[in-house]
Amino acid sequence: DQQVKQNSPSLSVQEGRISILNCDYTNSMFDYFLWYKKYPAEGPTFLISISSIKDKNEDGRFTVFLNKSAKHLSLHIVPSQPGDSAVYFCAASARDDKIIFGKGTRLHILP
Amino acid sequence: NAGVMQNPRHLVRRRGQEARLRCSPMKGHSHVYWYRQLPEEGLKFMVYLQKENIIDESGMPKERFSAEFPKEGPSILRIQQVVRGDSAAYFCASSPGQGIREKLFFGSGTQLSVL
Repeated sequence: DQQVKQNSPSLSVQEGRISILNCDYTNSMFDYFLWYKKYPAEGPTFLISISSIKDKNEDGRFTVFLNKSAKHLSLHIVPSQPGDSAVYFCAASARDDKIIFGKGTRLHILP
Repeated sequence: NAGVMQNPRHLVRRRGQEARLRCSPMKGHSHVYWYRQLPEEGLKFMVYLQKENIIDESGMPKERFSAEFPKEGPSILRIQQVVRGDSAAYFCASSPGQGIREKLFFGSGTQLSVL
């Protein structure tokens, strides 16, 4: 049973445009959400997080939106840059529990 | 300040052999997590350890897999009698230990190939 779902295996976006990566979750106990970025042959690196008491968190070009009623979160990257091409993992955890990851979305930034 | 170090980067084993994967956490980090990524899959939690203690092993297969994090030295993930289905990328992550919810710092992974 997949608790964190990233339904788009891949996404292509023109350089300079906005990239929107989506994530859905099923466990209503999740109250902390994270996005990780992964390049080939490297480990995932932390990008941005959001607590369930917020509905938006922004860090530079990256913004995460949380819609608790829909159990949905999204990562917005604007403007998209070539170095943003990577796999993005959505992750979540319930209080005092391990972090659960989705399957990832491969983002291609087109020149 | 070195990051999380995993070795070897690549490990090839024949069916029935043992695989040992090592992970040295970041300096000052006392908590280690192991995740496995199968082809076309996400990161699956395996085990969470503190020094000399297994905190959560709910993601570990019941047989052939074990993990330790001794007082001295790296954390070891051990897979006995490997099978082809064990072929995957194994990632170790560490955290300072202020809570299991904090962000994790990952190593570059060990790619295990079972022939």
